Amino acid sequence: ETGVTQTPRHLVMGMTNKKSLKCEQHLGHNAMYWYKQSAKKPLELMFVYNFKEQTENNSVPSRFSPECPNSSHLFLHLHTLQPEDSALYLCASSQVGQKNTGELFFGEGSRLTVL
Amino acid sequence: GQSLEQPSEVTAVEGAIVQINCTYQTSGFYGLSWYQQHDGGAPTFLSYNGLDGLEETGRFSSFLSRSDSYGYLLLQELQMKDSASYFCAVRDRVGFKTIFGAGTRLFVKA
Repeated sequence: ETGVTQTPRHLVMGMTNKKSLKCEQHLGHNAMYWYKQSAKKPLELMFVYNFKEQTENNSVPSRFSPECPNSSHLFLHLHTLQPEDSALYLCASSQVGQKNTGELFFGEGSRLTVL
Repeated sequence: GQSLEQPSEVTAVEGAIVQINCTYQTSGFYGLSWYQQHDGGAPTFLSYNGLDGLEETGRFSSFLSRSDSYGYLLLQELQMKDSASYFCAVRDRVGFKTIFGAGTRLFVKA
């Protein structure tokens, strides 16, 4: 496998459910990200992990809980979500440093619907 | 606060040239990137400007003026397959945080 892989691609859950989104990157990058994409809104940065350490939590509600067990895997644990959390959740990775562009490589996303 | 402004929609005809502008206001700045996203697909990287001036990659060019907090993406010889959303994005600090604009929906007509 190559690139950034996200599972599941589609998820429907009730407000009381607990589920997790998974992301895996095969690019040897040192940073991973979760973004939320809702209709007609900018991609919203949620979390940033650099070398497995969380360096950014963009005021995300605690019902979203990230986990980065190693530099290749990233999870987003979901608990007691609200219907307004329905969106496309995109994982990305990049190799960051001052001498590169910080180009983000995105997965295909997990389309989440909260009923 | 941090914000990036770009037009919501642009329509052009096949073979034409279109320019998508982006102005930004961010707390830190290390570069301006552009991404393309087709419906149902993932955003893909198009170009990056870390310094002022023009960067050219095939039919796509991107420009940056840091003093004006302004950049643009230029698409030449438009093709139907260029119909997509285009996002400008600012790289904040040393690459650990990239902030996106709301995107410009480009419609290419025959």
